[in-house]
Amino acid sequence: ETGVTQTPRHLVMGMTNKKSLKCEQHLGHNAMYWYKQSAKKPLELMFVYSLEERVENNSVPSRFSPECPNSSHLFLHLHTLQPEDSALYLCASSQGLGSSNTGELFFGEGSRLTVL
Amino acid sequence: AQRVTQPEKLLSVFKGAPVELKCNYSYSGSPELFWYVQYSRQRLQLLLRHISRESIKGFTADLNKGETSFHLKKPFAQEEDSAMYYCALGTSYDKVIFGPGTSLSVIP
Repeated sequence: ETGVTQTPRHLVMGMTNKKSLKCEQHLGHNAMYWYKQSAKKPLELMFVYSLEERVENNSVPSRFSPECPNSSHLFLHLHTLQPEDSALYLCASSQGLGSSNTGELFFGEGSRLTVL
Repeated sequence: AQRVTQPEKLLSVFKGAPVELKCNYSYSGSPELFWYVQYSRQRLQLLLRHISRESIKGFTADLNKGETSFHLKKPFAQEEDSAMYYCALGTSYDKVIFGPGTSLSVIP
């Protein structure tokens, strides 16, 4: 499969559950991102990984824990979330720093999270 | 502070009319500006970037550093242009910040 794929597409969880969102890119990119998209707020940058190192952690609560084991995979581990965390979580990738295409992001379709 | 603003949440224009989607940014460094578009039931995708100075689907955008703006323009709107448009700012360390978006509706 090509492009950026996210799983699961939909997730419903209770506040005490632990779950993970997965993102995989087949574009040979070096940077990966997590964004949160909710109805009441603009697209919020959560985390940026460049060459598997986290270069941005945008004041995200510790109940969200990212993991980037290699340049093709990105996870978002979820633990003791709140109902206000319900949103669409978007993963994206880019070629990364030093390339002429910095800033050109390729997005996945998103994981729709509902916290009960 | 790094910030992108798009003053219009919703914009409706008639088919064939000119359209302008406004974007302003705040960034102390050298900015890279982009427009992204999300059509109904499709993923967010890049429309154009200021560096390439190209026209995509009839849309153009000029970076005005004096006014810190990057407005998106098209002389004649088409129905297929109806979508959500996001202005984005690329900063250091691969960080890309998005504006709140403008929903464009082209009326037949």
